Amino acid sequence: AQSVSQHNHHVILSEAASLELGCNYSYGGTVNLFWYVQYPGQHLQLLLKYFSGDPLVKGIKGFEAEFIKSKFSFNLRKPSVQWSDTAEYFCAVLMDSNYQLIWGAGTKLIIKP
Amino acid sequence: DSGVTQTPKHLITATGQRVTLRCSPRSGDLSVYWYQQSLDQGLQFLIQYYNGEERAKGNILERFSAQQFPDLHSELNLSSLELGDSALYFCASSVEGEVEQFFGPGTRLTVL
Repeated sequence: AQSVSQHNHHVILSEAASLELGCNYSYGGTVNLFWYVQYPGQHLQLLLKYFSGDPLVKGIKGFEAEFIKSKFSFNLRKPSVQWSDTAEYFCAVLMDSNYQLIWGAGTKLIIKP
Repeated sequence: DSGVTQTPKHLITATGQRVTLRCSPRSGDLSVYWYQQSLDQGLQFLIQYYNGEERAKGNILERFSAQQFPDLHSELNLSSLELGDSALYFCASSVEGEVEQFFGPGTRLTVL
């Protein structure tokens, strides 16, 4: 079955630490990949997306993600996190012509000031 | 502000009751998606409508139904409510041919 896995449900980091959140999907065909962020008490917002081309995509607020097709992964990275990055991060994958986004379970990120 | 509006913001009701949640998509967006977010289940896709027609169905219970009207706004109807239906319900919209979804602020439903 098609699925999206986010390995870490909770991550706690100190400010200025580097961040990498894992996302893997199970599907061998064409995919469109997304990372969404949900700040406390707010709705989901798009951080970045990959459709085609350069597998390293840059998003808002200094985030980037790398699509590694051979590993079925789309990990989210940020070199130096800030307290304001405290939020829940969701990976989502659109597989081929399926209109339904498949969502990961989310990773709650807490940044200690 | 994504341009997607949802009403009401909060809803408190009792078990067995029926409620209607409303969503207005961004101007020009033909697709509307409904999601349920709860602590134990995470973010669950419920259903998608495109220009008035149901396009995709996710983990939507039979007690729940949705529709999209000619003006493209959508309503999610939840009936015979149970305590476990307490959750945040999000609506999202997208443009035809685009897969990026824009989310509304959500409706927080509390079933007592």
